[in-house]
Amino acid sequence: GENVEQHPSTLSVQEGDSAVIKCTYSDSASNYFPWYKQELGKRPQLIIDIRSNVGEKKDQRIAVTLNKTAKHFSLHITETQPEDSAVYFCAASQGGGSYIPTFGRGTSLIVHP
Amino acid sequence: NAGVTQTPKFQVLKTGQSMTLQCAQDMNHEYMSWYRQDPGMGLRLIHYSVGAGITDQGEVPNGYNVSRSTTEDFPLRLLSAAPSQTSVYFCASSDAGTAKSRNTIYFGEGSWLTVV
Repeated sequence: GENVEQHPSTLSVQEGDSAVIKCTYSDSASNYFPWYKQELGKRPQLIIDIRSNVGEKKDQRIAVTLNKTAKHFSLHITETQPEDSAVYFCAASQGGGSYIPTFGRGTSLIVHP
Repeated sequence: NAGVTQTPKFQVLKTGQSMTLQCAQDMNHEYMSWYRQDPGMGLRLIHYSVGAGITDQGEVPNGYNVSRSTTEDFPLRLLSAAPSQTSVYFCASSDAGTAKSRNTIYFGEGSWLTVV
């Protein structure tokens, strides 16, 4: 089955800095890569996703890049703000098929004011 | 449109007791799943269902049972609670998606379970 590795497990940055979270996956059949944000005590919620036919996708201060050859994808957050502090999960799945996504272990992002 | 609703939000159980976590979704999603979240372990899949009458095991199924008699409901049963089952449980649902669309997962608000 699919295996998703996520690094780092904790990331501490100063407000205004950029943050990068990296994930690798093992199954070359995976073609859908969502990122979820979980604030303290809340449920995970989708913030951005990318499909395998796209190399990069941006939404305001967040962007996701995908390297299919190397089987890794990354979340980039620019101009971080304290409200970006949360746990971020990457996932990989065969979107469109009868497959449940596999999640990474999560990255706790702390943005210091 | 309530999305994914799970109950109870908090529960304390004694070792050996059984209980059911309820989950319902009103988005007509085919896929439903249960995850447990423990510190440093991320979201681990317990059981999942790809449609009414169909269930399958995930990564950590031992000690849990599920059934899917309707599209809307996917209850999780703890058969004989153990302290190792102390965790936060999330129910989730998604549609099948297509080759060109996302199959976004929608999570419930979570159930905090403590087994003493």
